[in-house]
Amino acid sequence: EIVLTQSPGTLSLSPGERATLSCRASQSVSSNYLAWYQLKPGQAPRLLIYGASSRATDIPDRFSGSGSRTDFTLTISRLEPEDFAVYYCQQYGSSPPITFGQGTRLEI
Amino acid sequence: QVQLVQSGAEVKKPGASVKVSCTASGYTFTSYYLHWVRQAPGQGLEWMGVINPNGGFTNYAQMFQDRVTMTRDTSTSAVYMELSSLRSEDTALYYCARAVAGTRSWFDSWGQGTLVTVSS
Repeated sequence: EIVLTQSPGTLSLSPGERATLSCRASQSVSSNYLAWYQLKPGQAPRLLIYGASSRATDIPDRFSGSGSRTDFTLTISRLEPEDFAVYYCQQYGSSPPITFGQGTRLEI
Repeated sequence: QVQLVQSGAEVKKPGASVKVSCTASGYTFTSYYLHWVRQAPGQGLEWMGVINPNGGFTNYAQMFQDRVTMTRDTSTSAVYMELSSLRSEDTALYYCARAVAGTRSWFDSWGQGTLVTVSS
């Protein structure tokens, strides 16, 4: 089972700043099968990125994903107020089981 | 548009079972696998398993193997997740999620979540 470790656990930034979230895998993620999700209380999770770097439908271009093998990054270029949430990475290259990171809380 | 609508919150006693439904609309039900993911309070996301609505094939996470059953009803475009022998640690928000590419996939649409509370 691939273990995903996200860092930092909490990231405190201000609107307009750049956010860089990390996701490190315990072994290489096959075919860069890695996704990122945004979770807000009371809302369904929202897919942001799949295939490590492909933006999902209707996701603003301030969100970008990069990385390969064991090191992946989600970057939010200029934070908007609505971007403050919890972010999870997910690997689906070696599944089952699908695994998720423990999350990064992005707070003001 | 794609919608996954889940059944309402449940309160169960330890040892009981719970069955959560997820009804799909806005796409061809049998064309996409549906997965179940849960989130316990203050915890991260945990994958439980997957069902192929076309034929009913299932694959469960090892930790739930002996307690979970996923089924589907193609006449109503619904999938069901039943978890038995509930314990307090099963208190969580349970989500269904649509997979774009079968078992090894990301999830492009999620249900709103069903809160299951296990308490004596």
